[in-house]
Amino acid sequence: AQSVTQLDSHVSVSEGTPVLLRCNYSSSYSPSLFWYVQHPNKGLQLLLKYTSAATLVKGINGFEAEFKKSETSFHLTKPSAHMSDAAEYFCVVSDPEYGNKLVFGAGTILRVKS
Amino acid sequence: DTGVSQDPRHKITKRGQNVTFRCDPISEHNRLYWYRQTLGQGPEFLTYFQNEAQLEKSRLLSDRFSAERPKGSFSTLEIQRTEQGDSAMYLCASSLVDYHPNNEQFFGPGTRLTVL
Repeated sequence: AQSVTQLDSHVSVSEGTPVLLRCNYSSSYSPSLFWYVQHPNKGLQLLLKYTSAATLVKGINGFEAEFKKSETSFHLTKPSAHMSDAAEYFCVVSDPEYGNKLVFGAGTILRVKS
Repeated sequence: DTGVSQDPRHKITKRGQNVTFRCDPISEHNRLYWYRQTLGQGPEFLTYFQNEAQLEKSRLLSDRFSAERPKGSFSTLEIQRTEQGDSAMYLCASSLVDYHPNNEQFFGPGTRLTVL
């Protein structure tokens, strides 16, 4: 079985400061891991994905995530927050043995203060 | 715009009515997924198709729900005898299958259902 736990339901940062959104996963197989972003009234957009080629994954808009198998974590970071980063972020796990269906975390709402 | 379209974008209905949603995936994508997202939660898997074959249904998909993909292109999701608990955003996603485990799923904008 697969599951995802996003450790913070809300994160608030000031513009220009670092962002850390935490995610732990559980999977019985070698998982694929993703971060998706959802802006208000917009569709889900893929930020980045873990492909097993490199543990540090770079995504769009300056976001990165590091896969740590020993900690079963896949935390999302960004060195400097921008106002346009305010959105809801979902950590996602999938597994080809389960048809690649996506299992989403509950989401973290990121607020960026000016 | 990801290339996946859904219709309608919004649907308001009365309890007990039937509703049908449509999803048009990216044309060369042979996998199509349906998810449901309720307020404050992440999307949850409902069902998926490979071409016209429905390969898996979640236990969330009660017998009031039915999905089809008759020609392996667009898909429909029908809810019969709607209940207030069916109020949610219904999301469709499509992807290629080339046996790579990390195929990206492209999401449509969703259909927001409100059951009064």
